[in-house]
Amino acid sequence: QQQVKQSPQSLIVQKGGISIINCAYENTAFDYFPWYQQFPGKGPALLIAIRPDVSEKKEGRFTISFNKSAKQFSLHIMDSQPGDSATYFCAASDDKIIFGKGTRLHILP
Amino acid sequence: EAEVAQSPRYKITEKSQAVAFWCDPISGHATLYWYRQILGQGPELLVQFQDESVVDDSQLPKDRFSAERLKGVDSTLKIQPAELGDSAMYLCASSFLAGKDEQYFGPGTRLTVT
Repeated sequence: QQQVKQSPQSLIVQKGGISIINCAYENTAFDYFPWYQQFPGKGPALLIAIRPDVSEKKEGRFTISFNKSAKQFSLHIMDSQPGDSATYFCAASDDKIIFGKGTRLHILP
Repeated sequence: EAEVAQSPRYKITEKSQAVAFWCDPISGHATLYWYRQILGQGPELLVQFQDESVVDDSQLPKDRFSAERLKGVDSTLKIQPAELGDSAMYLCASSFLAGKDEQYFGPGTRLTVT
């Protein structure tokens, strides 16, 4: 049973545009929602995380929007740059972290 | 900057052979995780250690996989015998605390079983 559904599977965005990746979860016990960024040949690295007591968290060009009632959260990358090209994983955790299947993001120069 | 070390980075083995992966977590991190990442998917937890104790191995195929962290520092993941379906990236991660603390991932070991 997949507990964290992520979309789209792949995404192409023009440089300077907004990249949006969406995730949905089922388990209402989840209370920690991190996003990880993975470059080819590297392990994932934490990008930004949110807890369900807030609806939005912003760090630089990266923003998480969280909708607790809909059990959905999303990552917005503003002013997307070629260096943002990577695979992005949403995740959800109570005591154990469950990852989504990932979104391959490509930013066109 | 402290990093999680893993070796080897790449391993090619024939099916039915034994393979072993090593992980050295960030110093002071009590929690260590082994994940399997199949191409095009997210990491899937195989086993979680708190110090030297296993706290979650519910997704570890125990008939062929084993993991240990004898002194609560570095860890070894073994597969015996390897099967074609084991081809994947094996990632090690560590965190200071369990649960909702940031996990730091190593570069992974890419296993190919032929």
